[in-house]
Parts: sequence; structure tokens; C-alpha cells
Amino acid sequence: IAGITQAPTSQILAAGRRMTLRCTQDMRHNAMYWYRQDLGLGLRLIHYSNTAGTTGKGEVPDGYSVSRANTDDFPLTLASAVPSQTSVYFCASSTRVGDYEQYFGPGTRLTVT
Amino acid sequence: GENVEQHPSTLSVQEGDSAVIKCTYSDSASNYFPWYKQELGKRPQLIIDIRSNVGEKKDQRIAVTLNKTAKHFSLHITETQPEDSAVYFCAASITGANSKLTFGKGITLSVRP
Repeated sequence: IAGITQAPTSQILAAGRRMTLRCTQDMRHNAMYWYRQDLGLGLRLIHYSNTAGTTGKGEVPDGYSVSRANTDDFPLTLASAVPSQTSVYFCASSTRVGDYEQYFGPGTRLTVT
Repeated sequence: GENVEQHPSTLSVQEGDSAVIKCTYSDSASNYFPWYKQELGKRPQLIIDIRSNVGEKKDQRIAVTLNKTAKHFSLHITETQPEDSAVYFCAASITGANSKLTFGKGITLSVRP
């Protein structure tokens, strides 16, 4: 793989179910991010990780959790999905935290019914 | 925290004309200002960025200007083409260990052939 990938591409999920969105990058970037994109609201940061082993909360972290066990992977988990979590989710990475270009994955379209 | 606003929310121009998209930010400590372009159904991609130590930066048909006193920055696209049609996001951040980008809500640019 080259760059940053996400899986699944899309998912329909029943409310109350648990779901993990996967994100993998092969650029050896230290920093990784999860955003959600909703019409009219732009890109909002959910969680981020400055380096493997550390994570932090973004603007809209409630209902989501992340882990960063290694440099390449940064999964996002919805413990008990709710309809308001219907969105397009983008994972991104950058060389380091700060004023560096963020490279985005292709996105995951999640619908919670 | 930082608040980034974009004006207008939509913009339509004739092919060949220029387009100007403006953003304002609230935190005077912000010093990094990137612009991302998102084509329909695609991932956001960085097109240009500027740091607070310069007032203008150009790259072929696009340029960004920064006014730190007024806390606003603008994206200028000259000789617009249909492929410039997209959603454009501005963002702002403070460089440092806990730096995080705050995105505006996005502006939809339509270039009429």
C-alpha cells in the first residue's frame, strides 16, 4: 500500500452496535487524526495522536475512542453507535504534529439507523 | 479555542474569471494557515499554505494572502477552470507540541463553463 487507507469504504450500522473504523498509513508519519465531515459543518477533529502510544481529544470526542499501538495504525471505535454519528469519517496523517501537510485517507461513509 | 469562519459559503464564477475566498480566525496566536481542496466524492488535499512570517505566497494560478492584524487570510484563484470547482477549506493552527488544525466550514466554488 502507498499512502493512507481506510476500511470499510461504507457501512450501514444498527444503533447500539459497536463499530471500528480502520486506518493505516505507510509513510511513517508520527501524527494521525480522525475527522468527521457533515454537510454545512466542515471537518471536525474527533481524536488525534501525536506519536505512537499517545492520543488526545479533539473538538467532538464523545462516543468515540481511539488507540495507537504502533506508528501505522489508528483505529476509531464507536462503542454504541447512535444516529447522530452518521457521517463521513476521514483519517489523516502528517510527518509531525504542527504546521505540516495532512494527508487524508479516502474516507468511510457510515450510516447509523 | 480557535474559531475559523469562511465567507461566502458558496461562490459561482465564470470560467476565466478570478475567485477570492476569505477566511477569518479568532486566535491571534495562530501562525499556520493551510488551504485544502476537496473535489466531489474525494478526499481533501492541501493546495497551498502560508505561515505568519510572510504576507503572500503564490503557486501558479493560486495565491494566499495573510493579514495578521485583521486576522484574515484569502485564497485567490486566477483564470478559473471547470476543474477548480470543488469545496475549499481554510484552516488555522498554532505550531507546537499540541498543535491542531481548526477547519472552516468550507466554501463551494462553482466555475461556469
